[in-house]
Amino acid sequence: AQSVTQPDIHITVSEGASLELRCNYSYGATPYLFWYVQSPGQGLQLLLKYFSGDTLVQGIKGFEAEFKRSQSSFNLRKPSVHWSDAAEYFCAVADSGNTGKLIFGQGTTLQVKP
Amino acid sequence: DAGVIQSPRHEVTEMGQEVTLRCKPISGHNSLFWYRQTMMRGLELLIYFNNNVPIDDSGMPEDRFSAKMPNASFSTLKIQPSEPRDSAVYFCASSLSGNGYTFGSGTRLTVV
Repeated sequence: AQSVTQPDIHITVSEGASLELRCNYSYGATPYLFWYVQSPGQGLQLLLKYFSGDTLVQGIKGFEAEFKRSQSSFNLRKPSVHWSDAAEYFCAVADSGNTGKLIFGQGTTLQVKP
Repeated sequence: DAGVIQSPRHEVTEMGQEVTLRCKPISGHNSLFWYRQTMMRGLELLIYFNNNVPIDDSGMPEDRFSAKMPNASFSTLKIQPSEPRDSAVYFCASSLSGNGYTFGSGTRLTVV
């Protein structure tokens, strides 16, 4: 069965520092992978997605993620974190890739120190 | 594009009452998903529809939960009777052939 693991429940970084959020997935075929961000009291907003092709994908708000098949990972990165990036981040894999259900990780809460 | 619209935003009800949550997906999207979010269990998929047909309802907790999609522009999630453990945020999401999922703002349900 498909699954997603986000090893870090909570991460704190200083504003201006770089960020990497980890995501590992379990999926038999080529996965469709997503990162979402959720601010308090809000819904989930899509940051970026990977379906195929270039393994480094660019998203909104200056985020990027790299797909590494050998490591079954899809880590999210940002070179310089802003205070407004404080939120919860979810990695997800799509079952069957097309109209299939989205399986989410447990989420990583990002806190940004001034 | 107004996005995925959910109503109500907040619902407080007494145990045993019927609760109906509503969702209007993005026009043209052919898949619709209902998720539940709690601190303990995170985001759980309850049910999803493809072209208005329920495809997988294995996440529906029990018979008290039911969902319908009578047409491409409307879906409901009903809980009858409601229980305190149903308190959660319920999200609706829609997509076009899996090409990214757009979520609504959610309905925060409190059952007292």
